[in-house]
Amino acid sequence: QKEVEQNSGPLSVPEGAIASLNCTYSDRVSQSFFWYRQYSGKSPELIMSIYSNGDKEDGRFTAQLNKASQYVSLLIRDSQPSDSATYLCALGAGGSYIPTFGRGTSLIVHP
Amino acid sequence: GAVVSQHPSWVICKSGTSVKIECRSLDFQATTMFWYRQFPKQSLMLMATSNEGSKATYEQGVEKDKFLINHASLTLSTLTVTSAHPEDSSFYICSARSDGYNEQFFGPGTRLTVL
Repeated sequence: QKEVEQNSGPLSVPEGAIASLNCTYSDRVSQSFFWYRQYSGKSPELIMSIYSNGDKEDGRFTAQLNKASQYVSLLIRDSQPSDSATYLCALGAGGSYIPTFGRGTSLIVHP
Repeated sequence: GAVVSQHPSWVICKSGTSVKIECRSLDFQATTMFWYRQFPKQSLMLMATSNEGSKATYEQGVEKDKFLINHASLTLSTLTVTSAHPEDSSFYICSARSDGYNEQFFGPGTRLTVL
């Protein structure tokens, strides 16, 4: 059974700092990894996907994947109060895989 | 692209009635749709997976006769909560995925309150 572990937080960072969100997983077969952002009372929104080892950058967001260590992270540079949300890590939904979500990490960016 | 809509966005109903929630993929063909439930401050809970034209696959502990899922077309899936009770009050969210793609995209959710 696939498991996705995230620290529930809250992770509190000052505005302008780098927020680092981490996720570990147990399934060595998974090939696709996703980060979703969920604001309170809203549904999740896909912000990053990563499939290969290394870094993938998109604006202020950088996803990092290390399959050997079964570890994926999300860095948010120049954090803004509007980044305050719960960030969900997920393993792939392709093929016959059922998507597996972590419980999410709550991020608070304070002015 | 990759827009998923849900209707209604919120619904209040009396105990014992049935409620139907629609999930539509607006700009892509959703070969697979997922239905989730989320209680306040809890994580997403996958209820069932449906593939177009096939019966839904329900997760353990989810009653298929209570939560009826229909995925009759590549752009529409429906979830019907039958004989709703107050404990069914929750945030119901669908997501959709197209064959050949790994990403799934979420609808905005439906907040159900059963009185």
